[in-house]
Amino acid sequence: QKEVEQDPGPLSVPEGAIVSLNCTYSNSAFQYFMWYRQYSRKGPELLMYTYSSGNKEDGRFTAQVDKSSKYISLFIRDSQPSDSATYLCAMNAGSNDYKLSFGAGTTVTVRA
Amino acid sequence: DGGITQSPKYLFRKEGQNVTLSCEQNLNHDAMYWYRQDPGQGLRLIYYSQIVNDFQKGDIAEGYSVSREKKESFPLTVTSAQKNPTAFYLCASNRLGQGFRNTEAFFGQGTRLTVV
Repeated sequence: QKEVEQDPGPLSVPEGAIVSLNCTYSNSAFQYFMWYRQYSRKGPELLMYTYSSGNKEDGRFTAQVDKSSKYISLFIRDSQPSDSATYLCAMNAGSNDYKLSFGAGTTVTVRA
Repeated sequence: DGGITQSPKYLFRKEGQNVTLSCEQNLNHDAMYWYRQDPGQGLRLIYYSQIVNDFQKGDIAEGYSVSREKKESFPLTVTSAQKNPTAFYLCASNRLGQGFRNTEAFFGQGTRLTVV
């Protein structure tokens, strides 16, 4: 079993729809959670960064962390064609562990 | 502008040849990482280094080698022992220590390696 599980999709939605992405994990020591966005043939860029459980909102993006269920989510409201990309969840335990564990990435296409 | 620079963007390797991928950062980050990305498999860790002159194997180190002679630089050599080297290679870095967001990793734009 992988340490971080993420449905690779692909996911196709019409413009303006809400995109819902999620990851599950097995390591209860994880406390830092990130979502990266990766456009085709580019390096990933950080989208959201959260610590421990709770919600965080940034514009059209909302990240949720439920440590009791070992489950994290990313929601994209009012999706745009420019949101078409691969979204990767990443996490680590912090402290002396700075390596990130990544999900496989979900490819999202927003249709105009 | 601070960031991570990977070169070249595209690289072609002949069978049996060693090639070296460059990664330079000017973010003053302590830790640097090399990942390999294949379709549908996400990012897999090849090697990482937290201080100069020290590095550790990741999950798929076989057929690869690295060096960390300078804080800013972490080159990756893909050796002839790597049987399936065609992939997208990503270099990343982050800070160490107990600060919030120290675990955030910054990525370069990647090198696409193809065996011909």
